[in-house]
Amino acid sequence: KQEVTQIPAALSVPEGENLVLNCSFTDSAIYNLQWFRQDPGKGLTSLLLIQSSQREQTSGRLNASLDKSSGRSTLYIAASQPGDSATYLCAVSRVGSARQLTFGSGTQLTVLP
Amino acid sequence: GAVVSQHPSRVICKSGTSVKIECRSLDFQATTMFWYRQFPKQSLMLMATSNEGSKATYEQGVEKDKFLINHASLTLSTLTVTSAHPEDSSFYICSAAWGIDQPQHFGDGTRLSIL
Repeated sequence: KQEVTQIPAALSVPEGENLVLNCSFTDSAIYNLQWFRQDPGKGLTSLLLIQSSQREQTSGRLNASLDKSSGRSTLYIAASQPGDSATYLCAVSRVGSARQLTFGSGTQLTVLP
Repeated sequence: GAVVSQHPSRVICKSGTSVKIECRSLDFQATTMFWYRQFPKQSLMLMATSNEGSKATYEQGVEKDKFLINHASLTLSTLTVTSAHPEDSSFYICSAAWGIDQPQHFGDGTRLSIL
């Protein structure tokens, strides 16, 4: 059974800092990995999707990497802003049932002005 | 972009009430919809997967008679929590995908509180 872990559970940084969020998964047989953002009491917004054959994806100040062999992914946020404050979730999809996602418990990020 | 609407956003009701939550894909046809449950500060747990026109597939430990799922059209799926009790209080989120290998798009969730 796939297990997804995110460390740290919570992170507080001053505005302008670069930061890295970590995600690890136990079964490397994944179809893809996604990073999501969740604001309090809201649904999920997809940030980046990395196919299993890819090593990284970039969107603006965000960069996500994937190392399938070690079962790890990182989300790098450059020049953090208070508006980046949210919970960040990573999720992996299973091979053979590509659309079913297993989520980590998230990292709650607070960017202080 | 693809928009998924979930209604209602919040429900407060008495124990024993049945509650229906709707999930609609507004600008695409969703062949598959997913229902998740999220407890405070915890991850999303997949409850069931529903394909249009067929019975939902429930994850282990999820009672199908308790959580009734209907996916009668390509744009609407409903989750009915039957005879809800306080332990059913949670945040329920749906998502929809328009084809195999396509990403899921999420609704804004429903906060269910059973008194």
